[in-house]
Amino acid sequence: AAGVIQSPRHLIKEKRETATLKCYPIPRHDTVYWYQQGPGQDPQFLISFYEKMQSDKGSIPDRFSAQQFSDYHSELNMSSLELGDSALYFCASSFDRGPHQPQHFGDGTRLSIL
Amino acid sequence: AQKITQTQPGMFVQEKEAVTLDCTYDTSDQSYGLFWYKQPSSGEMIFLIYQGSYDEQNATEGRYSLNFQKARKSANLVISASQLGDSAMYFCAMREGSSSGGSNYKLTFGKGTLLTVNP
Repeated sequence: AAGVIQSPRHLIKEKRETATLKCYPIPRHDTVYWYQQGPGQDPQFLISFYEKMQSDKGSIPDRFSAQQFSDYHSELNMSSLELGDSALYFCASSFDRGPHQPQHFGDGTRLSIL
Repeated sequence: AQKITQTQPGMFVQEKEAVTLDCTYDTSDQSYGLFWYKQPSSGEMIFLIYQGSYDEQNATEGRYSLNFQKARKSANLVISASQLGDSAMYFCAMREGSSSGGSNYKLTFGKGTLLTVNP
C-alpha cells in the first residue's frame, strides 16, 4: 500500500539559510499534518491542512510557513534557520471525518543546522 | 495540564514475555481516539493500534492489545510474546473531537516509553 512520502530524508543547512521540506500524502487522504520532534522529545504539532486550506496551527514559528497544493502535496518552508530548528520533521496524512482515524506518518526529514 | 501521561520512561522485558506500557489521558471531549505508535531507533513513526472513545471492546491487532478503561482514563498497550524487534520508543497519543468543524484532529503525544527487549 502507498505510504506518506517525505523528501528529503536528510538535510544539512547552516544558520540563517532556508529549507523546504516536501510531503506527498497517501492517495485520497484529505488532511496533512506537520510535526516537529526535537532530540529526545515527543512530536509537537506545527500546522495542518484540510482540502488545501489551513485548518489548524500549533507552535509553528513565524519563520516557518506551509501550504498544500492542488495535488494535495504539502511543503514546509523554513527561513532564517536557527540551531534549535535541528529536529526530525514528520508529515502525516489521514482521511478525516472525526478523531477516530489514525494518522499515517512519513519516514520524516532529519534537519541538521550547523 | 498534560493531556497524555506516560509514567514509564523506560521498560525492560525478556524475550517471549508480555509487557504493559501505561498511558493515561485527560480530555473533556466525549468523542476522541487513542493511538499507539512505535518509533524504532531509525526514526520512523509506525501506527500500531487504535481505540475509539465509544468502543466497548478493547482493540487488538496481532500481538498488540489495548487495555481501555474509560472511567480511569487509561489506555495501556499490552505487547504479548515480546520480540527483539519490539525494542523501540512507544508513544501514546490522542485525537480529540473538534467543535469547530473542519479538520482539527491533531495528535497530542505523551513523552514516550523506551522499551528494551532482552534476549
